Amino acid sequence: EVQLVESGGGLVQPGGSLRLSCAASGFTFTTYWMTWVRQAPGKGLEWVANIKQDGSEKYYVDSVKGRFTISRDNAKNSLYLQMNSLRAEDTAVYYCARVLWGSSGARFDYWGQGTLVTVSS
Amino acid sequence: DIQMTQSPSSLSAFVGDRVTIACRASQSIASELNWYQQKAGKAPNLLIYAASTLQSGVPSRFSGSGSGTDFTLTISGLQSEDFATYYCQQSYTAPYTFGQGTKLEIK
Repeated sequence: EVQLVESGGGLVQPGGSLRLSCAASGFTFTTYWMTWVRQAPGKGLEWVANIKQDGSEKYYVDSVKGRFTISRDNAKNSLYLQMNSLRAEDTAVYYCARVLWGSSGARFDYWGQGTLVTVSS
Repeated sequence: DIQMTQSPSSLSAFVGDRVTIACRASQSIASELNWYQQKAGKAPNLLIYAASTLQSGVPSRFSGSGSGTDFTLTISGLQSEDFATYYCQQSYTAPYTFGQGTKLEIK
């Protein structure tokens, strides 16, 4: 059974940092792209970042470029999101998800339960 | 960035009804369009990918159509468990933008 379990969320002051983790199990982690998607309270979904199987390619939404870094440790079957210079508008539930690529683009077929990040003084 | 616009933003229907949700892209995305269902307090769940392909395990009452800029999600014979929020997402190019969501409520 595919499982994705996020951790690391919490309350942080503006300008602070936080590192999210996503532990993957039930599938061969090294063969999949992975992604982070966030959802501000009461709002819609926003794609944040993608990372290739070997970490050689990474893509970000403009609003987090230069502040967030996606990474992975294939030996630990884990995905990470290092978040620096956090702003109030980064407050959201952060989901990790598995990415499947096909002839018609990518899809996010398994999701974790999410971890809440609150940026507030 | 490609903008995704869903309509309506909310919708009320009876169990057993047939409903359609529309999604429009700001530029052509071929068939690179996914649909997700999200229930309150839960993670999204993939329903349809490549505009019209049903994800494994998803009931056949869900269907998708469209290509280019205009897409639809149809639910035929609404069940009580279908009342949720639905999102479209383009996977044509990063950033992989979502629509604003359509909240489907019981009438």
